[in-house]
Amino acid sequence: KAGVTQTPRYLIKTRGQQVTLSCSPISGHRSVSWYQQTPGQGLQFLFEYFSETQRNKGNFPGRFSGRQFSNSRSEMNVSTLELGDSALYLCASSLDGANSPLHFGNGTRLTVT
Amino acid sequence: QQQVKQSPQSLIVQKGGISIINCAYENTAFDYFPWYQQFPGKGPALLIAIRPDVSEKKEGRFTISFNKSAKQFSLHIMDSQPGDSATYFCAARETGANNLFFGTGTRLTVIP
Repeated sequence: KAGVTQTPRYLIKTRGQQVTLSCSPISGHRSVSWYQQTPGQGLQFLFEYFSETQRNKGNFPGRFSGRQFSNSRSEMNVSTLELGDSALYLCASSLDGANSPLHFGNGTRLTVT
Repeated sequence: QQQVKQSPQSLIVQKGGISIINCAYENTAFDYFPWYQQFPGKGPALLIAIRPDVSEKKEGRFTISFNKSAKQFSLHIMDSQPGDSATYFCAARETGANNLFFGTGTRLTVIP
């Protein structure tokens, strides 16, 4: 079974721009979560989608948003990029959410200049 | 506020030795405690997980010890190998939720 796939692997953007990251979950997994990883703050939860609905949200500003499609694929969008948004963005999928383990992709490395 | 406290920040162990990483929490609503292993350039990979109804779980060279009353859990890596050199994260999840609260990570180096 293929793992969680994230595209692109690397992105360089300028302050003020917006960016869209993509995630394809493991086949059959219906829950997709997004995490931000930085050296200073570690791994922090952004949001979770299940059956195209946002089910849970972390403590991030409204510039961070996401969506999930009917095939469970997910995208996250960051608008008006700031230097502090430079991070590794990780997508994780699980079978049904609260009762199943999370499996992570290899992330998208976003650099904001 | 860090919901899961992890120590040490870094650890150097000789090949064949035992690596021990500790985590502590306060939230009694946590009911699932996984450990993840992350290599440079890769995402975290699930290593082993435990629920609070058991005190120990072993998978190969990896063992989780869980102390519910002390709200502490630890990862033991027996017969540590250079290939185990990675960053290890403990995490916790509340009942009914899917988001994980992660510890700050431990960078393990196993010296040949």
